[in-house]
Amino acid sequence: DAGVIQSPRHEVTEMGQEVTLRCKPISGHNSLFWYRQTMMRGLELLIYFNNNVPIDDSGMPEDRFSAKMPNASFSTLKIQPSEPRDSAVYFCASSLGRMGAKNIQYFGAGTRLSVL
Amino acid sequence: DQQVKQNSPSLSVQEGRISILNCDYTNSMFDYFLWYKKYPAEGPTFLISISSIKDKNEDGRFTVFLNKSAKHLSLHIVPSQPGDSAVYFCAAFSSNTGKLIFGQGTTLQVKP
Repeated sequence: DAGVIQSPRHEVTEMGQEVTLRCKPISGHNSLFWYRQTMMRGLELLIYFNNNVPIDDSGMPEDRFSAKMPNASFSTLKIQPSEPRDSAVYFCASSLGRMGAKNIQYFGAGTRLSVL
Repeated sequence: DQQVKQNSPSLSVQEGRISILNCDYTNSMFDYFLWYKKYPAEGPTFLISISSIKDKNEDGRFTVFLNKSAKHLSLHIVPSQPGDSAVYFCAAFSSNTGKLIFGQGTTLQVKP
């Protein structure tokens, strides 16, 4: 299994530009999570989907952030417009189920975003 | 409001000795606690977990201890190896929300 695949691995953009991060979960997993890692706040959950439906987006910082999961094998996290404070590493994770910690979350390698 | 805290940003131990990583939490409703390990330029990987109804879980060199009354858990690595050098995240899971809440992470360095 290829694991969770994220693209791009690195993204450098200028303030005000639109940024789209992509994620392909592990085949057969029905829950998908987007996290952001910063020095100040550590790893924080932004949004998660179950069976392609957004379940909890309370971690999404602002309306500039949006996420979609059009099908079971693809999700995007979009920032429009981007700001320097959005600079962070963004992780996508997937798991077999929603409830129960025994449904271990498997993480992608992350996208390092730098907004200049 | 940090529900899961790892108060030690870093830890350095000698190869062969014990590494003890600590984690505190505030929400008594958490059902499971997990430890993830992260190498540079990679995503976190699951290491070991413990249910809130247990006080110890062991897997090879890794043991997690849970003290519910103190809202504290710890990860013991014995013996420590240089390959264990990584960032370790403590995480707590709530069945009510379906969310995993992570601590800030502790960077472990095991010296040969």
